[in-house]
Amino acid sequence: GENVEQHPSTLSVQEGDSAVIKCTYSDSASNYFPWYKQELGKRPQLIIDIRSNVGEKKDQRIAVTLNKTAKHFSLHITETQPEDSAVYFCAASKSTSYGKLTFGQGTILTVHP
Amino acid sequence: KAGVTQTPRYLIKTRGQQVTLSCSPISGHRSVSWYQQTPGQGLQFLFEYFSETQRNKGNFPGRFSGRQFSNSRSEMNVSTLELGDSALYLCASSLTGPDLGPQHFGDGTRLSIL
Repeated sequence: GENVEQHPSTLSVQEGDSAVIKCTYSDSASNYFPWYKQELGKRPQLIIDIRSNVGEKKDQRIAVTLNKTAKHFSLHITETQPEDSAVYFCAASKSTSYGKLTFGQGTILTVHP
Repeated sequence: KAGVTQTPRYLIKTRGQQVTLSCSPISGHRSVSWYQQTPGQGLQFLFEYFSETQRNKGNFPGRFSGRQFSNSRSEMNVSTLELGDSALYLCASSLTGPDLGPQHFGDGTRLSIL
């Protein structure tokens, strides 16, 4: 089945710096790639997603890039703020997954003021 | 629009007991997926229901089961609880599935097994 690898497991940056989190997936049929942010004790919240017919998507300070050939996708956060500190999860699914998201192991992002 | 609602928020059970968790999806969402979240294994897919039918199932033992009602509300049941079942159980709803809409999560039910 699908396997999603996420790196790094922890990431520490200074406020204002950029942060990049990378994920690779194994199933070439995967066509939907969401990113979730989970603050301590809270629900995972969808922050951005991308489909396989798109190479890049941006939403203010957040962007996601997808390389289908290499089977990897990345989350880019610019001008980081302390409130960006959280655990970030990438995930992958395909049209025949019927509700199944396969998640990466998560990245603990810490933004120091 | 109200979000995904899960009840109860916390549960404490002992080994051998069974438990039922409930999930009410966002209004209009017909797909409900369940996940188990643990520090060691991360987020793992349990199963998905759409129109009262289970369409997909993850790699969990038969002690884990679920169902969906005509109003799209879903329940999951775990029988013969084991210590390793201690986890945060999350449900997520979407219109019909990830390929047609994003999944939105509830706050989860934290299950502790003594």
